[in-house]
Amino acid sequence: DQQVKQNSPSLSVQEGRISILNCDYTNSMFDYFLWYKKYPAEGPTFLISISSIKDKNEDGRFTVFLNKSAKHLSLHIVPSQPGDSAVYFCAASRTSGTYKYIFGTGTRLKVLA
Amino acid sequence: SQTIHQWPATLVQPVGSPLSLECTVEGTSNPNLYWYRQAAGRGLQLLFYSVGIGQISSEVPQNLSASRPQDRQFILSSKKLLLSDSGFYLCAWSVQRYRAYGYTFGSGTRLTVV
Repeated sequence: DQQVKQNSPSLSVQEGRISILNCDYTNSMFDYFLWYKKYPAEGPTFLISISSIKDKNEDGRFTVFLNKSAKHLSLHIVPSQPGDSAVYFCAASRTSGTYKYIFGTGTRLKVLA
Repeated sequence: SQTIHQWPATLVQPVGSPLSLECTVEGTSNPNLYWYRQAAGRGLQLLFYSVGIGQISSEVPQNLSASRPQDRQFILSSKKLLLSDSGFYLCAWSVQRYRAYGYTFGSGTRLTVV
């Protein structure tokens, strides 16, 4: 049962344009969400997070939007740069004694120069 | 500052051989520790997590086991590897009160079972 889904395995975007990566979840108990970026043969690195009490969070070129009613979040990268080319994972967790993040399958972003 | 070490970086093992991957964390105490696996074409699957020495929770029934002999050491093991154990294994740590920042991952181990 895939509780966190990233339905687009890959995305290509021209440099300078906006990249939009999408993520859907099924468990309404999830209340904290993260985005990670991963380069080949490296561990994922944290990008940005959002709590369910918010619907938007910004950090520089990265903005995450959360639509709780649709159980959907998205990551916007503006403007996209070639160095953004990587696999992006979304992850979700629920408040509990020991939090665990459930990860999506990832979206490979390629930013074309 | 906190750092996480994971080794080896790559490993090629024959089917039926044992496995031991080690992960250590520096600069923090009593971290939550996690083992994830990224199989080809799949996302990050949580295998085990630990909230303290000797405390292991298994997320997925499988051919692997985990142990935490010391506060900042987490070991992933197998007695007999299967072909399906191939993948990219990641260790991670977190501190409960810093939930907003998720995990810090190690650099990973690429395991190929032949």
